[in-house]
Amino acid sequence: GESVGLHLPTLSVQEGDNSIINCAYSNSASDYFIWYKQESGKGPQFIIDIRSNMDKRQGQRVTVLLNKTVKHLSLQIAATQPGDSAVYFCAERGGGGGNKLTFGTGTQLKVEL
Amino acid sequence: GAVVSQHPSRVICKSGTSVKIECRSLDFQATTMFWYRQFPKQSLMLMATSNEGSKATYEQGVEKDKFLINHASLTLSTLTVTSAHPEDSSFYICSARGPGRTSGDTQYFGPGTRLTVL
Repeated sequence: GESVGLHLPTLSVQEGDNSIINCAYSNSASDYFIWYKQESGKGPQFIIDIRSNMDKRQGQRVTVLLNKTVKHLSLQIAATQPGDSAVYFCAERGGGGGNKLTFGTGTQLKVEL
Repeated sequence: GAVVSQHPSRVICKSGTSVKIECRSLDFQATTMFWYRQFPKQSLMLMATSNEGSKATYEQGVEKDKFLINHASLTLSTLTVTSAHPEDSSFYICSARGPGRTSGDTQYFGPGTRLTVL
């Protein structure tokens, strides 16, 4: 069936370094992707999104890259800060006009001082 | 903009009782809301899609008679866990489709409700 998975369950980075969180997806018909940040005990917080007709999108300190050829999505966080420590989920929306999102397994980002 | 609230944030109940969780879009109208369930250190699992003025659409394996969903207005959806049992203990999170044509693809999440059934 359809699935969205992450390569690394835990990522540790030094404060100030750049972070790269990866996500593999299997549904080639997915047309929209979102990255969410979830802190402990809280709901997911929208970070950035990208549509399938794009391969890169930038926000404030974050960049999402989409490689449809290999069905790979990544989130880059520049100058990682302690406040970035959280679980990051990628989510995909299957094509066909539906609104349901399928979430990946999540990556725990730990920022070391 | 696109703020979603949930109430209560935490609830503890006895086995066999029913619990109602509210999800509100505070600054926009949401024709579609979603209910998720999340176990510790796991991902979000979609339970159902709630559409204003119509019946909810449940995911496979989710008992509609146990998890009652009511989307009576454009800003409120409720999830009632009926006859709750300890295995229903979980983190329940709602989301709403964003307003507007471009952000309407995005789901904005509430802060979640921690349900503990004793």
